[in-house]
Amino acid sequence: RKEVEQDPGPFNVPEGATVAFNCTYSNSASQSFFWYRQDCRKEPKLLMSVYSSGNEDGRFTAQLNRASQYISLLIRDSKLSDSATYLCVPSGAGSYQLTFGKGTKLSVIP
Amino acid sequence: DAGVTQSPTHLIKTRGQQVTLRCSPKSGHDTVSWYQQALGQGPQFIFQYYEEEERQRGNFPDRFSGHQFPNYSSELNVNALLLGDSALYLCASSSSGGTKFSYNEQFFGPGTRLTVL
Repeated sequence: RKEVEQDPGPFNVPEGATVAFNCTYSNSASQSFFWYRQDCRKEPKLLMSVYSSGNEDGRFTAQLNRASQYISLLIRDSKLSDSATYLCVPSGAGSYQLTFGKGTKLSVIP
Repeated sequence: DAGVTQSPTHLIKTRGQQVTLRCSPKSGHDTVSWYQQALGQGPQFIFQYYEEEERQRGNFPDRFSGHQFPNYSSELNVNALLLGDSALYLCASSSSGGTKFSYNEQFFGPGTRLTVL
């Protein structure tokens, strides 16, 4: 099983839509979870950190299910500027590295 | 508040050459990690430096080496370049002073795009 698995997409959604991304991770000892967004040929930018069952920041909501080793990201009222690749990153478990999957590509269409 | 900076932005080298990439961490951060990102892939961890020592290393050969200076800035050196080393090299900084959950919040610089011909 891969350390991090995400649906690669692409997800093509109209402006204003709600979209959800799923992520499963293999290391049950992971303590922290991060969602990064990465625009084409740019660096990853930290979008949200999740340490407990979830986190909410404006239009973005992350939910964590430790029993199922599953984390999701919900984006409400999608904007054109949300178009990017979203990377789920589990962390901790005695490690200092961030383990990235390939991410999920989102395209928000006018 | 200055973010993570990297230099150079782009670099073109030929096979067998050596390259040095530089990184300055975000203000207040003392830990630097390096990642390699090939096209279409997620970033892959190379190593992390803390207190001027390599604290953890990913699955990269010894051709990849690094250094951290007393001001927390860091260098990544790659020797005997191969075509497969062409990638975006990302530096990320973090603070050792965080909680057991937040210590690994890493902030990335804009990267150095290395092309090996």
